[in-house]
Formats: sequence, structure tokens, C-alpha cells
Amino acid sequence: AQSVTQLDSHVSVSEGTPVLLRCNYSSSYSPSLFWYVQHPNKGLQLLLKYTSAATLVKGINGFEAEFKKSETSFHLTKPSAHMSDAAEYFCVVRSTGNQFYFGTGTSLTVIP
Amino acid sequence: KAGVTQTPRYLIKTRGQQVTLSCSPISGHRSVSWYQQTPGQGLQFLFEYFSETQRNKGNFPGRFSGRQFSNSRSEMNVSTLELGDSALYLCASSSSGTGYEQYFGPGTRLTVT
Repeated sequence: AQSVTQLDSHVSVSEGTPVLLRCNYSSSYSPSLFWYVQHPNKGLQLLLKYTSAATLVKGINGFEAEFKKSETSFHLTKPSAHMSDAAEYFCVVRSTGNQFYFGTGTSLTVIP
Repeated sequence: KAGVTQTPRYLIKTRGQQVTLSCSPISGHRSVSWYQQTPGQGLQFLFEYFSETQRNKGNFPGRFSGRQFSNSRSEMNVSTLELGDSALYLCASSSSGTGYEQYFGPGTRLTVT
């Protein structure tokens, strides 16, 4: 069975400091993994995806994530937080049957 | 390309009524999935349709149903509405190509009173 665990429900950072949002996955095979962002009262926007190519994946808005099979992790990072990054972030794993399993989300607050 | 569109964006219904929500996927996408998002339960998968057939189903009661038309547009129906059905209903489409990422619509906010 596939699942993801987002290790932090809330993360606060100061503007200009690095962002780290943690995600561990469980999968019986090499997974497809995604990060989505949701701003208030909006739908979800794809940030980046991993599909068994390069382990370091670059996404939009300066975000990137590294797939670490040995640690079953897919943490999301950004070198310098911007006020506009404040949102809810979801880590997602896709099953072979094309079903997507969402984490519980991490709320990111950026302090000016 | 136009994104995923959902109609209506907001809806207020009374307990016991039924409701139909509509989703138009990105042109060329054949898979449409529906999710329910609430503050308490987060994002929960309802069902997925691919080429007019239900391919996956989440753990929701039979009051929740859906269908997909030949042009890939999809509808979901909730009968006998309950207060707990108040939620943001999100639709997502994906292509049958590699990557299989989903693209989400803005959602329909359903309030049941």
C-alpha cells in the first residue's frame, strides 16, 4: 500500500530564510511523488514531481525536492522564503492504479 | 490550454436535497478525479473516471456518485445531503501520458444548511 506522512503540520520561517517541509513515503515499488501548494480558497497547484529520473527535482518558484530511497523521504526545500510562499503544502504519492494519496498537509507561515 | 474548470464555484443547499457538480478537464485529458476537502479530514479521494468508466473509488457512501461523458467532462452527484457534506470539492484531470500529474480546478464550495 502507498501512503505519505508529512512530519510537520505547521512550519514558520522568517522571510529570506530557508524552507524545509518534510515528507516520508511508503511504497512497495519505485513511486511517483509530487508536491502541491494550495493558497487560501484556491485549488491545488503542482510544484514539482519525481518519476524515477533525477533524484533532485526542481520545481516552480524556486522550490526543489530530493528523492532519497534509503530514507524513503521526499523533502521540499527553498533557499529563501518569500511572503507569497505562505500556503498549505501537500506531499502526494501515486499508485500504479493511478490513485493519488495525499498527505495531511503542512501549513507554511512566513514572518516578515 | 485552458485549465480545469468547475461549476458552480459556490453552492448552498439544504439538508436532504441533492446536488450535481460539474468539471471540465484540460483538453485532451481523459482521467478525471474528484476529492473532498474539509478542515477535519483533509483531502479525501472520492473516485476517478477514465474514458467514461470508473477506475478507482474511495471510501465514501453510495450517496456520492459520478459519471463521465464522451468529451471527458465529469459530474458528481450527492444525494440526500447531510451537514457533514459541507466541503470544498476539487476536481483534477490528468493525461494518459507519462508523469501522470494531476491538474486541479478551483473547486466548488458546498455549504449544507
